[in-house]
Amino acid sequence: GAVVSQHPSRVICKSGTSVKIECRSLDFQATTMFWYRQFPKKSLMLMATSNEGSKATYEQGVEKDKFLINHASLTLSTLTVTSAHPEDSSFYICSARLAGGVYGYTFGSGTRLTVV
Amino acid sequence: AQSVTQPDIHITVSEGASLELRCNYSYGATPYLFWYVQSPGQGLQLLLKYFSGDTLVQGIKGFEAEFKRSQSSFNLRKPSVHWSDAAEYFCAVAPSGSQGNLIFGKGTKLSVKP
Repeated sequence: GAVVSQHPSRVICKSGTSVKIECRSLDFQATTMFWYRQFPKKSLMLMATSNEGSKATYEQGVEKDKFLINHASLTLSTLTVTSAHPEDSSFYICSARLAGGVYGYTFGSGTRLTVV
Repeated sequence: AQSVTQPDIHITVSEGASLELRCNYSYGATPYLFWYVQSPGQGLQLLLKYFSGDTLVQGIKGFEAEFKRSQSSFNLRKPSVHWSDAAEYFCAVAPSGSQGNLIFGKGTKLSVKP
């Protein structure tokens, strides 16, 4: 089946540094990827929609300059948390929409970001 | 606006007992409906989905869900719960026929006691 590989699974960084999270579709082309953030004991909040070859669409309240999304190829989307602060600590998950045929979504395994 | 409601934040059942997790949605038309399971620190795994047709959907791990249009519900059921089913369960919807994103409920945490 369609697999999205997300790396790293865990990362600890210092305040003020930047962290890049990658999501790769392994056996299919993902024209659209979604980036979610999940707070402890909370649901998934959509941050942005990433379309290959174009600018990402951010949800209201999400700082586009802080959460940089790049979708340069049909198999790779990246989320960079710039100048990270402790309040950015969270669980980030990417999702790819499966194109053609059966309509559905597949999720990466998530990245636990801790900013110290 | 579309929304998904999971009224139960936390449910505890005994191993071997039956389970029903509730999900209601608010949407003008019949959306695509999904149930996902998440173990601690992990991503989401699809249990089952409904697009159209038979309103009783079978999924993995012995789960099933029934779409009831009149009640705008898509409840998840399992006849006999195993200890390994303890996890967080999310109901999600996507507008039918669109290229939109999933909208998630707040989740229900399932605990299983021996």
